[in-house]
Amino acid sequence: GENVEQHPSTLSVQEGDSAVIKCTYSDSASNYFPWYKQELGKRPQLIIDIRSNVGEKKDQRIAVTLNKTAKHFSLHITETQPEDSAVYFCAALGGADGLTFGKGTHLIIQP
Amino acid sequence: GAVVSQHPSRVICKSGTSVKIECRSLDFQATTMFWYRQFPKKSLMLMATSNEGSKATYEQGVEKDKFLINHASLTLSTLTVTSAHPEDSSFYICSARGGTSGRSREYFGPGTRLTVT
Repeated sequence: GENVEQHPSTLSVQEGDSAVIKCTYSDSASNYFPWYKQELGKRPQLIIDIRSNVGEKKDQRIAVTLNKTAKHFSLHITETQPEDSAVYFCAALGGADGLTFGKGTHLIIQP
Repeated sequence: GAVVSQHPSRVICKSGTSVKIECRSLDFQATTMFWYRQFPKKSLMLMATSNEGSKATYEQGVEKDKFLINHASLTLSTLTVTSAHPEDSSFYICSARGGTSGRSREYFGPGTRLTVT
Protein backbone atom coordinates (compact mmCIF):
# COMPACT_ATOMS: atom_id res chain seq x y z
CA GLY A 1 0.00 0.00 0.00
CA GLU A 2 0.84 3.65 -0.04
CA ASN A 3 3.22 5.19 2.49
CA VAL A 4 3.38 8.93 3.03
CA GLU A 5 6.18 10.60 4.94
CA GLN A 6 5.85 14.23 6.04
CA HIS A 7 8.57 16.59 7.29
CA PRO A 8 9.16 18.44 9.47
CA SER A 9 6.87 17.48 12.32
CA THR A 10 7.19 21.00 13.75
CA LEU A 11 8.10 24.18 11.88
CA SER A 12 8.56 27.60 13.43
CA VAL A 13 8.94 30.66 11.18
CA GLN A 14 8.89 34.41 11.68
CA GLU A 15 5.78 36.21 10.58
CA GLY A 16 6.21 37.35 7.03
CA ASP A 17 8.68 34.61 6.13
CA SER A 18 7.89 31.58 3.97
CA ALA A 19 7.14 28.09 5.18
CA VAL A 20 7.68 24.85 3.27
CA ILE A 21 6.34 21.44 4.23
CA LYS A 22 7.47 18.39 2.32
CA CYS A 23 5.93 14.99 1.74
CA THR A 24 7.05 11.87 -0.07
CA TYR A 25 4.93 8.98 -1.25
CA SER A 26 5.72 5.44 -2.30
CA ASP A 27 2.99 4.37 -4.72
CA SER A 28 3.72 5.62 -8.22
CA ALA A 29 0.02 5.06 -9.07
CA SER A 30 -1.04 7.84 -6.68
CA ASN A 31 -2.55 10.67 -8.66
CA TYR A 32 -4.21 13.08 -6.24
CA PHE A 33 -2.53 14.97 -3.42
CA PRO A 34 -4.61 17.12 -1.08
CA TRP A 35 -3.41 19.27 1.80
CA TYR A 36 -5.44 19.80 4.94
CA LYS A 37 -5.18 22.53 7.56
CA GLN A 38 -6.31 21.80 11.07
CA GLU A 39 -6.70 24.82 13.32
CA LEU A 40 -6.76 24.46 17.07
CA GLY A 41 -9.89 22.69 18.21
CA LYS A 42 -11.24 22.25 14.71
CA ARG A 43 -11.46 19.47 12.13
CA PRO A 44 -9.05 19.29 9.19
CA GLN A 45 -10.13 21.36 6.22
CA LEU A 46 -9.00 20.91 2.63
CA ILE A 47 -7.01 23.99 1.60
CA ILE A 48 -5.46 23.01 -1.71
CA ASP A 49 -4.88 19.95 -3.84
CA ILE A 50 -2.94 18.93 -6.90
CA ARG A 51 -3.39 16.19 -9.45
CA SER A 52 -0.62 14.25 -11.10
CA ASN A 53 -1.10 15.90 -14.48
CA VAL A 54 0.25 19.24 -13.22
CA GLY A 55 3.48 20.20 -11.50
CA GLU A 56 2.39 23.28 -9.58
CA LYS A 57 -0.74 24.97 -8.37
CA LYS A 58 -1.17 28.33 -6.64
CA ASP A 59 -3.93 29.91 -4.61
CA GLN A 60 -2.98 33.34 -3.28
CA ARG A 61 -0.25 32.77 -0.67
CA ILE A 62 -0.40 29.00 -0.89
CA ALA A 63 1.22 26.85 -3.54
CA VAL A 64 1.80 23.15 -4.00
CA THR A 65 4.44 21.51 -6.17
CA LEU A 66 4.58 17.93 -7.33
CA ASN A 67 7.55 15.97 -8.60
CA LYS A 68 6.22 12.68 -9.91
CA THR A 69 9.62 11.33 -10.78
CA ALA A 70 10.94 11.82 -7.28
CA LYS A 71 7.54 11.08 -5.75
CA HIS A 72 7.45 14.09 -3.53
CA PHE A 73 5.18 17.08 -3.15
CA SER A 74 5.42 20.23 -1.10
CA LEU A 75 3.26 22.95 0.40
CA HIS A 76 4.59 26.50 0.23
CA ILE A 77 3.12 29.34 2.25
CA THR A 78 4.48 32.82 1.55
CA GLU A 79 4.20 35.98 3.68
CA THR A 80 3.06 33.92 6.64
CA GLN A 81 0.55 35.40 9.04
CA PRO A 82 -0.50 34.45 12.58
CA GLU A 83 -3.65 32.78 11.26
CA ASP A 84 -1.48 30.33 9.32
CA SER A 85 -0.53 28.70 12.61
CA ALA A 86 -2.06 25.22 12.50
CA VAL A 87 -1.30 21.57 11.87
CA TYR A 88 -1.01 20.72 8.19
CA PHE A 89 -1.54 17.24 6.78
CA CYS A 90 -0.54 16.01 3.37
CA ALA A 91 -2.22 13.00 1.80
CA ALA A 92 -1.96 10.86 -1.29
CA LEU A 93 -4.67 9.01 -3.17
CA GLY A 94 -3.92 6.17 -5.50
CA GLY A 95 -5.23 2.94 -6.90
CA ALA A 96 -8.23 1.37 -5.26
CA ASP A 97 -7.36 2.55 -1.78
CA GLY A 98 -8.36 5.80 -0.19
CA LEU A 99 -6.33 8.64 1.18
CA THR A 100 -3.12 7.92 3.03
CA PHE A 101 -2.15 10.73 5.36
CA GLY A 102 1.16 12.02 6.56
CA LYS A 103 1.66 12.49 10.29
CA GLY A 104 1.19 16.22 10.16
CA THR A 105 3.32 19.34 10.60
CA HIS A 106 2.70 21.81 13.38
CA LEU A 107 3.39 25.22 11.87
CA ILE A 108 4.08 27.98 14.37
CA ILE A 109 4.19 31.59 13.21
CA GLN A 110 6.34 33.69 15.53
CA PRO A 111 5.28 37.36 15.81
CA GLY B 1 5.89 8.53 16.43
CA ALA B 2 2.29 7.83 17.23
CA VAL B 3 0.58 5.21 15.12
CA VAL B 4 -3.06 4.54 14.52
CA SER B 5 -4.12 1.25 12.99
CA GLN B 6 -7.34 0.12 11.39
CA HIS B 7 -8.62 -3.38 10.87
CA PRO B 8 -9.49 -4.71 8.45
CA SER B 9 -7.81 -2.75 5.68
CA ARG B 10 -10.27 -4.16 3.17
CA VAL B 11 -13.59 -5.93 3.60
CA ILE B 12 -16.19 -7.24 1.20
CA CYS B 13 -19.61 -8.10 2.56
CA LYS B 14 -23.03 -8.98 1.25
CA SER B 15 -25.89 -6.55 1.32
CA GLY B 16 -27.84 -6.78 4.56
CA THR B 17 -24.96 -7.94 6.72
CA SER B 18 -23.08 -5.92 9.33
CA VAL B 19 -19.42 -5.05 9.31
CA LYS B 20 -17.22 -3.89 12.17
CA ILE B 21 -14.16 -1.72 11.65
CA GLU B 22 -11.64 -1.24 14.43
CA CYS B 23 -9.48 1.81 15.06
CA ARG B 24 -6.62 1.48 17.51
CA SER B 25 -4.09 3.91 18.86
CA LEU B 26 -0.93 1.87 19.26
CA ASP B 27 1.34 3.94 21.47
CA PHE B 28 -0.83 6.56 23.08
CA GLN B 29 -4.17 6.84 24.78
CA ALA B 30 -6.76 8.39 22.54
CA THR B 31 -9.43 10.20 24.49
CA THR B 32 -11.09 11.21 21.26
CA MET B 33 -11.40 9.40 17.96
CA PHE B 34 -13.00 10.63 14.78
CA TRP B 35 -14.59 8.63 12.00
CA TYR B 36 -14.55 9.92 8.44
CA ARG B 37 -15.95 8.70 5.18
CA GLN B 38 -14.13 9.46 2.00
CA PHE B 39 -16.00 9.52 -1.25
CA PRO B 40 -14.16 8.90 -4.54
CA LYS B 41 -11.84 11.78 -5.46
CA LYS B 42 -13.43 13.93 -2.78
CA SER B 43 -12.53 15.31 0.55
CA LEU B 44 -13.27 13.74 3.88
CA MET B 45 -16.67 13.81 5.46
CA LEU B 46 -16.69 13.72 9.24
CA MET B 47 -19.23 11.17 10.38
CA ALA B 48 -18.90 11.25 14.13
CA THR B 49 -16.75 12.10 17.11
CA SER B 50 -16.14 9.36 19.63
CA ASN B 51 -15.11 10.08 23.21
CA GLU B 52 -13.99 7.28 25.47
CA GLY B 53 -16.72 6.18 27.83
CA SER B 54 -19.47 8.30 26.37
CA LYS B 55 -21.83 8.27 23.42
CA ALA B 56 -20.57 9.35 20.06
CA THR B 57 -21.58 12.68 18.59
CA TYR B 58 -22.85 12.28 15.05
CA GLU B 59 -22.72 14.86 12.33
CA GLN B 60 -25.91 16.02 10.71
CA GLY B 61 -27.20 13.54 8.16
CA VAL B 62 -25.34 10.54 9.56
CA GLU B 63 -27.65 7.79 10.79
CA LYS B 64 -26.54 6.80 14.26
CA ASP B 65 -28.54 3.57 14.16
CA LYS B 66 -26.83 2.53 10.96
CA PHE B 67 -23.29 3.54 11.90
CA LEU B 68 -22.77 2.32 15.45
CA ILE B 69 -19.73 3.70 17.21
CA ASN B 70 -18.29 2.33 20.41
CA HIS B 71 -15.26 3.83 22.13
CA ALA B 72 -14.84 1.17 24.78
CA SER B 73 -11.29 1.94 25.83
CA LEU B 74 -8.63 4.60 25.49
CA THR B 75 -7.03 2.71 22.62
CA LEU B 76 -9.96 1.31 20.69
CA SER B 77 -12.97 2.65 18.86
CA THR B 78 -15.17 0.57 16.59
CA LEU B 79 -17.48 1.54 13.76
CA THR B 80 -20.16 -0.99 12.86
CA VAL B 81 -22.01 -0.55 9.60
CA THR B 82 -25.32 -2.31 10.17
CA SER B 83 -27.47 -3.79 7.42
CA ALA B 84 -24.96 -2.65 4.83
CA HIS B 85 -26.09 -1.62 1.38
CA PRO B 86 -24.06 -1.07 -1.79
CA GLU B 87 -24.27 2.70 -1.27
CA ASP B 88 -22.32 2.23 1.96
CA SER B 89 -19.34 1.11 -0.09
CA SER B 90 -16.63 3.62 0.65
CA PHE B 91 -13.30 4.28 2.32
CA TYR B 92 -13.60 4.83 6.04
CA ILE B 93 -10.80 6.57 7.93
CA CYS B 94 -10.40 7.09 11.64
CA SER B 95 -8.18 9.53 13.44
CA ALA B 96 -7.17 9.58 17.07
CA ARG B 97 -6.21 12.36 19.41
CA GLY B 98 -4.62 11.95 22.80
CA GLY B 99 -5.23 14.29 25.72
CA THR B 100 -8.21 16.48 26.47
CA SER B 101 -7.09 19.79 25.05
CA GLY B 102 -7.38 20.89 21.47
CA ARG B 103 -3.60 21.24 21.40
CA SER B 104 -3.09 17.47 21.36
CA ARG B 105 -1.83 16.10 18.07
CA GLU B 106 -4.09 14.01 15.91
CA TYR B 107 -3.08 11.05 13.81
CA PHE B 108 -4.91 9.37 10.95
CA GLY B 109 -5.35 5.65 10.48
CA PRO B 110 -4.61 3.95 7.15
CA GLY B 111 -8.27 3.54 6.29
CA THR B 112 -10.62 0.65 5.54
CA ARG B 113 -12.06 -0.03 2.10
CA LEU B 114 -15.60 -1.40 2.45
CA THR B 115 -17.28 -2.98 -0.55
CA VAL B 116 -20.88 -4.11 -0.24
CA THR B 117 -22.07 -6.48 -2.94
